Amino acid sequence: GAVVSQHPSRVICKSGTSVKIECRSLDFQATTMFWYRQFPKQSLMLMATSNEGSKATYEQGVEKDKFLINHASLTLSTLTVTSAHPEDSSFYICSAESAGNTDTQYFGPGTRLTVL
Amino acid sequence: LAKTTQPISMDSYEGQEVNITCSHNNIATNDYITWYQQFPSQGPRFIIQGYKTKVTNEVASLFIPADRKSSTLSLPRVSLSDTAVYYCLVGGITGGGNKLTFGTGTQLKVEL
Repeated sequence: GAVVSQHPSRVICKSGTSVKIECRSLDFQATTMFWYRQFPKQSLMLMATSNEGSKATYEQGVEKDKFLINHASLTLSTLTVTSAHPEDSSFYICSAESAGNTDTQYFGPGTRLTVL
Repeated sequence: LAKTTQPISMDSYEGQEVNITCSHNNIATNDYITWYQQFPSQGPRFIIQGYKTKVTNEVASLFIPADRKSSTLSLPRVSLSDTAVYYCLVGGITGGGNKLTFGTGTQLKVEL
């Protein structure tokens, strides 16, 4: 139980293009999903909190117009990196919060984005 | 958000028990303690979660003293495949949107 998937697992794109990453909770409903970014040899950094049916809440320093988040259903959230540049190359990881007594987060496998 | 402090790295050998301690002096009353394991280029994997005393599951044990200002993840008889980064996080029950702050984690290296 508590499986979270991401698609694609890796993507290579040209500078200036936009890339969409999907995050799905496969066997539970998640009213809240989170998006993280992780650079090599570093820890995960929270980018934004995504609530179903409402606007995402972004962490300080994260450009909301560059990282568009949509949480259209209780099992799907998407992150779109708009006008990607090489410095956006990173490992993007989502998590879905399993509602209940402890609000445990379960993480997706991650998406490796490389911008040329 | 309660911050956590863990050793940056630990080394062990196959078959040994490994204990990783995490300090969270500012833990709040409604905070739970959760440990995750992360392999390179993968998302963190849930290991164990607890509130107080001791919790045990099929892969690990979690020891939490009465003051809850620290916790210890115990991995029995580690193998090479347990080489990974282990994160300790604390977070409360907020009814949704429980933001987690990842620290540096502990890089565990298991050798033969």
